[in-house]
Amino acid sequence: EVQLLESGGGLVQPGGSLRLSCAASGFIFRNYGMSWVRQRPGKGLEWVSSICASFGCTYYAESAKGRFTISRDNSENTLYLQMNSLRADDTAVYYCAKIKDGAGIDYWGQGTLVTVSS
Amino acid sequence: QSVLTQSSSASASLGSSVKLTCTLSSGHSSNIIAWHQQQPGKAPRYLMKLEGSGSYKKGSGIPDRFSGSSSGPDRYLTISNLQSEDEADYYCETWDRNSRAFGGGTKLTVL
Repeated sequence: EVQLLESGGGLVQPGGSLRLSCAASGFIFRNYGMSWVRQRPGKGLEWVSSICASFGCTYYAESAKGRFTISRDNSENTLYLQMNSLRADDTAVYYCAKIKDGAGIDYWGQGTLVTVSS
Repeated sequence: QSVLTQSSSASASLGSSVKLTCTLSSGHSSNIIAWHQQQPGKAPRYLMKLEGSGSYKKGSGIPDRFSGSSSGPDRYLTISNLQSEDEADYYCETWDRNSRAFGGGTKLTVL
């Protein structure tokens, strides 16, 4: 059974940093691309960033470029999102998601809440 | 212009059928999409992958009541024999090599 378990969310002040983690199990992690998707309170889903399976190619939404860094540790089956220079509008639930064979997302984590506030 | 456009809301009666629409913008009309369901207070769940030909493949455990179809730039999700647990937000997703995008979501109310 595929499981994605996010952690690392919490309350952070504007301008601060946070690192999210996503522990993956139930599939061969190193073979699949992964993404982070967020959902602001009361709003829809918003793609944040993706990372390729093996070569580590990374892609970012405009809102994340220059502030967020996606990475993965295939030996630990873990996905990360380093978030710097956080703003109030980064407040959201952040979901880790598995990408199906270079196509759409086929599994979602339960999400972790990030609140940026003073 | 958004890549994916969805109606903000839909409603249908218990036991009836409903067809939700996701429209791809010009230049993306042949894209493959995915449909996802998000029940209140829960994480999203993958429903199916849907091609421009109308061919679709559902995720594990998705009931037969859920089906997909396509016409030009429109991608449809049909839910038959509506149940109370189908009341949820439904999102379509598409992607290219460098990015992915979601529609704004359709809130389905089961009457």
